[in-house]
Amino acid sequence: EDQVTQSPEALRLQEGESSSLNCSYTVSGLRGLFWYRQDPGKGPEFLFTLYSAGEEKEKERLKATLTKKESFLHITAPKPEDSATYLCAVIATGGGNKLTFGTGTQLKVEL
Amino acid sequence: GAVVSQHPSRVICKSGTSVKIECRSLDFQATTMFWYRQFPKQSLMLMATSNEGSKATYEQGVEKDKFLINHASLTLSTLTVTSAHPEDSSFYICSAQGLAGTYEQYFGPGTRLTVT
Repeated sequence: EDQVTQSPEALRLQEGESSSLNCSYTVSGLRGLFWYRQDPGKGPEFLFTLYSAGEEKEKERLKATLTKKESFLHITAPKPEDSATYLCAVIATGGGNKLTFGTGTQLKVEL
Repeated sequence: GAVVSQHPSRVICKSGTSVKIECRSLDFQATTMFWYRQFPKQSLMLMATSNEGSKATYEQGVEKDKFLINHASLTLSTLTVTSAHPEDSSFYICSAQGLAGTYEQYFGPGTRLTVT
């Protein structure tokens, strides 16, 4: 069974304090790994897709990396507006196009 | 690009009535649309997958007669919650997939359903 585990469940940072969120996955074969940001009461916002180990993607203060077992979302010098829940999801080969989500990391960035 | 809308954003209905939620891909054609349900402080739970012109595929445990899904065009899918009860109160989110050569799903803003 495909599984996605995110850690930590919650993370509190000071503004400017860089950190990383972890997403570990177990799938028979990986078609793609996806990062989303979700604000309270809203739908998830697409951030990145990673397809193969060694791949990296960047957007503003965010950088996503991928290995054969896990992905990291690095947040550099975060600002309060980066506060949100960050969701990781995978699509496995043989799983159609269905996303399997982790439970998310709730990030709060304080002044 | 890749904008998905949902309507309504909030709805309150009485127990026993039916509610329809629309999901539209505004700037791309969605070959596949998905419907999710999300409970407070939990992740998204996939309810069903629909392809344009085909019957929806429901996840295990989701009642297809209660949650009717129609995907009549490449830009519109609807979810109808029939004979709603308080336990159907939840946050319903759709997503659309269809940009050529990619697997990304783009999500709508969600619909908060409250059944009284």
